[in-house]
Amino acid sequence: DARVTQTPRHKVTEMGQEVTMRCQPILGHNTVFWYRQTMMQGLELLAYFRNRAPLDDSGMPKDRFSAEMPDATLATLKIQPSEPRDSAVYFCASGWTGPNTEAFFGQGTRLTVV
Amino acid sequence: GQNIDQPTEMTATEGAIVQINCTYQTSGFNGLFWYQQHAGEAPTFLSYNVLDGLEEKGRFSSFLSRSKGYSYLLLKELQMKDSASYLCAVRDDYKLSFGAGTTVTVRA
Repeated sequence: DARVTQTPRHKVTEMGQEVTMRCQPILGHNTVFWYRQTMMQGLELLAYFRNRAPLDDSGMPKDRFSAEMPDATLATLKIQPSEPRDSAVYFCASGWTGPNTEAFFGQGTRLTVV
Repeated sequence: GQNIDQPTEMTATEGAIVQINCTYQTSGFNGLFWYQQHAGEAPTFLSYNVLDGLEEKGRFSSFLSRSKGYSYLLLKELQMKDSASYLCAVRDDYKLSFGAGTTVTVRA
């Protein structure tokens, strides 16, 4: 059963600490999205990778957020230093390029920064 | 950029039909998607339209008019398990942008 796997599922951290979220895309997928979801803003696109290359990270606060794909089986999203306003659910999604190809979402990481 | 609008909430009775509208403005268009998201869970794919017209998938149908920047999701024979948020998403060249979602509550 192919699925996108995200770890951790839940994270509580103190303000100022570094947070790393991990995503394993579905094997064979060549696109990866990172989204943040809050009640106020809905689903916001933070970053987009195609064939491991970052094509768009315009939605990400550059001073504290960074996204990488060290290999085809791992995508990471880091926040350093974290702030209370970063509290949200972070979703990773993967898919193929091309028409009629939907994005498959992981279960998300629920981040709480206190 | 993209601007995607859909109603915030809708309520309907079990067994009824509900239509969720979505209007969008986009600099490029490469498909419109509908996702379902239950509380506390991940969004799951429901349907995809890239050409004008109606796509039917069981109890769910989705319609697209590219010239009007308009789509709707039709949910028929509503069941309690259909209570969820329904997200309209538009893809340009690669970016998949989501509307704020419509929370549908199904009442017995």
